[in-house]
Formats: sequence, C-alpha cells, structure tokens
Amino acid sequence: KQEVTQIPAALSVPEGENLVLNCSFTDSAIYNLQWFRQDPGKGLTSLLLIQSSQREQTSGRLNASLDKSSGRSTLYIAASQPGDSATYLCAVRPRNQAGTALIFGKGTTLSVSS
Amino acid sequence: GAGVSQSPSNKVTEKGKDVELRCDPISGHTALYWYRQSLGQGLEFLIYFQGNSAPDKSGLPSDRFSAERTGGSVSTLTIQRTQQEDSAVYLCASSSEGRQPQHFGDGTRLSIL
Repeated sequence: KQEVTQIPAALSVPEGENLVLNCSFTDSAIYNLQWFRQDPGKGLTSLLLIQSSQREQTSGRLNASLDKSSGRSTLYIAASQPGDSATYLCAVRPRNQAGTALIFGKGTTLSVSS
Repeated sequence: GAGVSQSPSNKVTEKGKDVELRCDPISGHTALYWYRQSLGQGLEFLIYFQGNSAPDKSGLPSDRFSAERTGGSVSTLTIQRTQQEDSAVYLCASSSEGRQPQHFGDGTRLSIL
C-alpha cells in the first residue's frame, strides 16, 4: 500500500531564507507527483506537477524535484516571504491501484516571519 | 464558474441527522473526486467519478456514506445518521480527465455535535 510521508511537520524560518520541504513515498510505481499549498480554511492550490518521466519542474521561486527510484521529492522555495506561510502537501498518483485518486502526505506547515 | 464550487462552506448538525454536501466542478471536467480532511489524519480519498463509468467507491468509510453525480456535472455527497467522527473538512476536486491535475474547491467544514 502506497504511503506518503512529509518531513518536517512544521518549519519556521525568517524572511529571505531558502528552504527545502521533503516528501517520500513507499512505492515507486506512480504516474506523477503533485505539490499543493493550503491556506487556513481554504482548499488546495496546485503548485507543481511532475510526471513520472520528469526530474523537476519550476515555477517562479519554486522548484520541485523527483527521484522516483528512491521514492523522494523535494520542494525548494527560494527567498521565502511571509506570504509563503501555509501548509504544503505532497501527493502521488499511484499506478498499481484502482482509480486515479491521489495519496497525500500529512503536510508541512511553513511559517515565514518578517 | 472559474473554479470548483462547494456548498455549504460550513455545516453544523446534531448527531444522527443526515447531511448533504454539494460540489459543482469546473465546466467540462469529466473527473470528480471527494476527499475528507480530518485533524491529524491528512487527506483521504472517498469516491471518484469519471464520465459515465461506475464510480470508484473504494474510499467510502461506511455504508452511511454515498455520493451521486447527476448529468455528469454536479455531485452530492450524503452522510446518513451522522456520527461525531464524521466531523471533518470535505473537499471536492475535478480534473479534465483522470490523470490530469486536480483542482480543489474550498471544502465544506462539517461539525457534528
């Protein structure tokens, strides 16, 4: 059964710092991996989607990498800002499972202080 | 509308009552998903609809939970005889087809007293 783990559960950094959020998954048979952002009381906003054949995706200050063989992904945030404060969720779409639902980690809650 | 719309945004009800949660997906999206987000449990899959195919109900936690999707668009998640452990945020997502990025609504926060 596919399991997704995110470390750390919470992270506090001063504004301007570069940071890395980690995601690991137990089964490398995935179609893709997606990073989401969730603000308090809100739904999920998709940040980056990496297909299983890709190694990384970039959007602005965000860069996500995927090492499928080792079951790991990282989300790199450059020059963090207070507006980046949110919970970041990693999710995989497994191949060896009926349907196409996402399997989520429990998230990393990021706080960026000014 | 431009995004996935869910209603109500908040629902408070007494234990034992039935509740209905509504999801209006992005126009043209054939795939629709329901997830539940409980404190400390993370997001868990409930049910998936794709076009006219039979839904994937493998994530529904009990037979008190059911969902339907009428006309391939709006979906309703029904919880019968609600229990306190049903308290959670229920999120709906849609995508253009099963393997494309999912777009989420803001969820319905359900509280069972």
